[in-house]
Amino acid sequence: DIQMTQSPASLSASLGETVSIECLASEGISNDLAWYQQKSGKSPQLLIYAASRLQDGVPSRFSGSGSGTRYSLKISGMQPEDEADYFCQQSYKYPPTFGAGTKLELK
Amino acid sequence: EVQLVESGGGLVQPGRSLKLSCAASGFTFSNYYMAWVRQAPKKGLEWVATISTSGSRTYYPDSVKGRFTISRDNAKSSLYLQMNSLKSEDTATYYCARGYNPFAYWGQGTLVTVSS
Repeated sequence: DIQMTQSPASLSASLGETVSIECLASEGISNDLAWYQQKSGKSPQLLIYAASRLQDGVPSRFSGSGSGTRYSLKISGMQPEDEADYFCQQSYKYPPTFGAGTKLELK
Repeated sequence: EVQLVESGGGLVQPGRSLKLSCAASGFTFSNYYMAWVRQAPKKGLEWVATISTSGSRTYYPDSVKGRFTISRDNAKSSLYLQMNSLKSEDTATYYCARGYNPFAYWGQGTLVTVSS
């Protein structure tokens, strides 16, 4: 199975600050990488797929990049509603595997 | 609007069985692979099962293979997860999700607690 290592486990950001979350795959995944946002008490929501493609309705301050085994999610200008857990997931092959998550809090 | 509504969760003793359901609406159910993903309390996400559009192909991780069975009824736009021989480590919120990989839409989840 492909292992997904996500970092950091938690971080705190001020309003308007730019935030980055990293994900490292144990093998190359050819940009088949998704990011999900999960707000407290809610179900995960797909933010980005294919490493950099925004799901419909997702604000443009979210962006994804990367290649090979290294990928990142960037939030350009932290907003209060961005406080949530974020998970990466490889969609390159089965079984689908997720990162352990990053808890993002507003400072 | 895509809607996925899970039901059937609850408290169950170790070794017993439980069947979860997911009612889908807002899209042509029979056109999509469907999946179950679970999340243990305060933990990460774990894929549990996937089923093809017709139901002829199913996929499971080793952790549930032989104990869980995913099925679907396209006429009823419904997805199911039969869980047998439940263990304490199966305690989690179970989400119904649309898609093969990744999962574009998720339900609100149903909590399964396995405890004596």
